[in-house]
Amino acid sequence: EIVMTQSPATLSVSPGERATLSCRASQSVSTNVAWYQQVPGQAPRLLIYAASTGATGVPARFSGSGSGTEFTLTISSLQSEDFAVYYCQQYHNWPLFTFGPGTKVDFK
Amino acid sequence: QVQLQESGPGLVRPSQTLSLTCSVSGGSISSGGHYWTWMRQPPGQGLQWLGHISPGGSPFYNPSLDPSLKRRVVISVDTSKNQFSLDLSSVTAADTAVYYCAAKLVTGWLDPWGQGTLVAVSS
Repeated sequence: EIVMTQSPATLSVSPGERATLSCRASQSVSTNVAWYQQVPGQAPRLLIYAASTGATGVPARFSGSGSGTEFTLTISSLQSEDFAVYYCQQYHNWPLFTFGPGTKVDFK
Repeated sequence: QVQLQESGPGLVRPSQTLSLTCSVSGGSISSGGHYWTWMRQPPGQGLQWLGHISPGGSPFYNPSLDPSLKRRVVISVDTSKNQFSLDLSSVTAADTAVYYCAAKLVTGWLDPWGQGTLVAVSS
């Protein structure tokens, strides 16, 4: 099983600041990574797929990068609605997939 | 785009069977392109994939599930109602979670998700 790890576990950021979240795969997954946002009390929402492609309706302040085993989600200027938990997911070996444990972005 | 909505009881007694249904709107459940997926999230924890059912009605269960969980999970589909279902037998308090249905694209990511339903296991 491909294991996904995320760091940091919690990221404290002020509104308007840049947030950089990391995700690492235990083996190469090419660019088969997606990112999701989960606001408390809501379902996860797809933000990024194929490591760097924004999903429909996702604001441009969200961007993804990386390939192989190292991936990054960047929020360029945090808005109040962005304080949430962010999960990365690898889907390299269809139909299998795994999620990381999540990074919580909260108020500094 | 398709929309998904879970339904089912919010409280299940220990040793009973948890049964949830996911209603799909905006598209046919038997058309290609989506694998109908069940996820769960225990309170305060991360996301756990239970399994999916294909457009053709073949279930697939996460091979990484603990065997004690895997043998209790059944996913099925009712194409006449455009719904798919999750049955989890012999539940314990450890099965208390928010259960989500989601559409997994053939490409691998999950979009969209249902809103989720909290199921508590308690006597």
